[in-house]
Amino acid sequence: EAQVTQNPRYLITVTGKKLTVTCSQNMNHEYMSWYRQDPGLGLRQIYYSMNVEVTDKGDVPEGYKVSRKEKRNFPLILESPSPNQTSLYFCASSLGQGAGSPLHFGNGTRLTVT
Amino acid sequence: QKEVEQNSGPLSVPEGAIASLNCTYSDRGSQSFFWYRQYSGKSPELIMFIYSNGDKEDGRFTAQLNKASQYVSLLIRDSQPSDSATYLCAAYTGGGNKLTFGTGTQLKVEL
Repeated sequence: EAQVTQNPRYLITVTGKKLTVTCSQNMNHEYMSWYRQDPGLGLRQIYYSMNVEVTDKGDVPEGYKVSRKEKRNFPLILESPSPNQTSLYFCASSLGQGAGSPLHFGNGTRLTVT
Repeated sequence: QKEVEQNSGPLSVPEGAIASLNCTYSDRGSQSFFWYRQYSGKSPELIMFIYSNGDKEDGRFTAQLNKASQYVSLLIRDSQPSDSATYLCAAYTGGGNKLTFGTGTQLKVEL
C-alpha cells in the first residue's frame, strides 16, 4: 500500500531533550516536506526537500533540523525542544510539484513539550 | 495579507443542500490549487485539484477557479453529515516550491 509513515504518533517530552520524528514513504517520491499545524494558524511548512541531499527552509524552520540521505526517509530533528514546539506535525510527499503532484500526508505526530 | 485566505466558519448547511467554500490567494504567480478535507485529529486528504480557469467536477464536488479575481471555490452538492470536516485550500506559491495552506473552513452538515 502506498503510504507515508510517521513515527511516533504521540510523543511527550521535556524541554531540551533531543528528539527525532521519523518519516518514510514508499512511493519513490522526490519531494518531501514537514508541516506543523496549530489552532488558528493552519498548516505551516517547516522544511522541504526536492531530492536526496537537497533541503530548504519553509516558513517556520527555527528550532528544527532535517536531513535527506535517502529518497524514502526525511526525519525531523528537534535538537532542544521548547514548549512552543508543542504541535501536530505532518510529513508529506509528492512525486514533484504542481498540479499533477498533490501532497500525500502521513498520519501525524502529536508532540507535547513540557 | 496571508497568501491563502479562507473564512474559518463554521459553515452550517442542512443535509442535501449545496455547501459553498471559498478561498482567495495573493500570489498572482500561483498556478495550481488544491482542496483537502481534514477530519478532527486526522491528516488532510486530497479532494481535488484545479489549475485551469473555470469549473472542474468530480462526483459531488466541483472546484471553480478564477485567476483574474484570484479566488478558488469548492461546491459540495447533496451534502451529507459525513462531509462535516475542515476544508483546506492550498496553492503553490513562492515560485512553486511551497504548497501554502489556508487556515481552513469548518463545515457542519446538519440533519
